[in-house]
Amino acid sequence: TQLLEQSPQFLSIQEGENLTVYCNSSSVFSSLQWYRQEPGEGPVLLVTVVTGGEVKKLKRLTFQFGDARKDSSLHITAAQPGDTGLYLCAGSWGLTTDSWGKLQFGAGTQVVVTP
Amino acid sequence: DTGVSQNPRHKITKRGQNVTFRCDPISEHNRLYWYRQTLGQGPEFLTYFQNEAQLEKSRLLSDRFSAERPKGSFSTLEIQRTEQGDSAMYLCASSPFRRSNTEAFFGQGTRLTVV
Repeated sequence: TQLLEQSPQFLSIQEGENLTVYCNSSSVFSSLQWYRQEPGEGPVLLVTVVTGGEVKKLKRLTFQFGDARKDSSLHITAAQPGDTGLYLCAGSWGLTTDSWGKLQFGAGTQVVVTP
Repeated sequence: DTGVSQNPRHKITKRGQNVTFRCDPISEHNRLYWYRQTLGQGPEFLTYFQNEAQLEKSRLLSDRFSAERPKGSFSTLEIQRTEQGDSAMYLCASSPFRRSNTEAFFGQGTRLTVV
């Protein structure tokens, strides 16, 4: 069983500050997704990374995939209260077509941005 | 709305009762997944379908759980003889089956409380 660890578990910051959350595995991902989840709702897909070293930007969010495809980070610049939520990374290690799409999630990082 | 739809959103049931949840995936997606999420944890994989075929079931899915996708469209998840430990958010997700595409789109979930 591949373990997927997220850190920190909880992050509380003031509006305007920057933050970074991390996602690590002992195994090489075939792909990795980041999701944001709000209380009582399902996760919402933010980004998918596939290529080692890949960097993707989504407005104030920057996603990096490690060169070895075992780790990823999410950086938020000038955080706003609307960024508050549970940030989940989810990895796929599928090598066969049957495995594609089956995701293993980390426990998440709860981010709270106060005005 | 063309997203994944789950019904009901909330279900409270007495221990020992049976419950059934429904998921309507995005119409062109032929893969459908069920996940379970407990407080403070990320979603855990339960089972998935490609069209009407159930391709994999997690060890988390005890004999009291059964899932169907009879015509390759909507899916149902039934829990028989519910126990308090079944209380959780049950999430459905769908994805298109394309080579190397591992993105999953989630519904809003069904929150089950067993009293």
